[in-house]
Amino acid sequence: NAGVTQTPKFQVLKTGQSMTLQCAQDMNHNSMYWYRQDPGMGLRLIYYSASEGTTDKGEVPNGYNVSRLNKREFSLRLESAAPSQTSVYFCASSEPGIGMNTEAFFGQGTRLTVV
Amino acid sequence: AQSVTQPDIHITVSEGASLELRCNYSYGATPYLFWYVQSPGQGLQLLLKYFSGDTLVQGIKGFEAEFKRSQSSFNLRKPSVHWSDAAEYFCAVGLNQFYFGTGTSLTVIP
Repeated sequence: NAGVTQTPKFQVLKTGQSMTLQCAQDMNHNSMYWYRQDPGMGLRLIYYSASEGTTDKGEVPNGYNVSRLNKREFSLRLESAAPSQTSVYFCASSEPGIGMNTEAFFGQGTRLTVV
Repeated sequence: AQSVTQPDIHITVSEGASLELRCNYSYGATPYLFWYVQSPGQGLQLLLKYFSGDTLVQGIKGFEAEFKRSQSSFNLRKPSVHWSDAAEYFCAVGLNQFYFGTGTSLTVIP
């Protein structure tokens, strides 16, 4: 069972370049999330998608766009990368609702460096 | 507003010693609470979760956590730490969105 798969695992960009981070989950979850992890700041929510066809801003959305392509896939796009976007990016998915099945499952992360 | 506070940035313990990692939360409703562990270069793995019932919950790898509503706390404990427990630990709260603390880095001395 693959769970949540992110690509690429590593990426170096020049300032101003664009790129898309891909995420796919095979657990049939409705909700998907993009977080960034920076030293001393924990995980901060960039965007989330509560269900196919919907997306909402999280805590730190500036400089990013997302697409919920279908139920499985949720991509994160940097249109014009900046050094401040150097971070580790995590995709996660969950099945919202009440009960013990509520938890977030994480991918292995994408380490992005913007020079 | 929802938030999670992990007051200890870094903790060092000797192998075999007991461990307690602190977590305080602010949440507008009955909280769903989680502890995740992250090994270097890896994603986050769920250790345990609480959503109702017994306030002492058991997780994987010998960890447990106790929910104390009066103190808005969900502290993680382990009776005897192993060298392989060295990692970053994150407390989180949420239901349809998840709010994470800033993490506690655990170093284990042999």
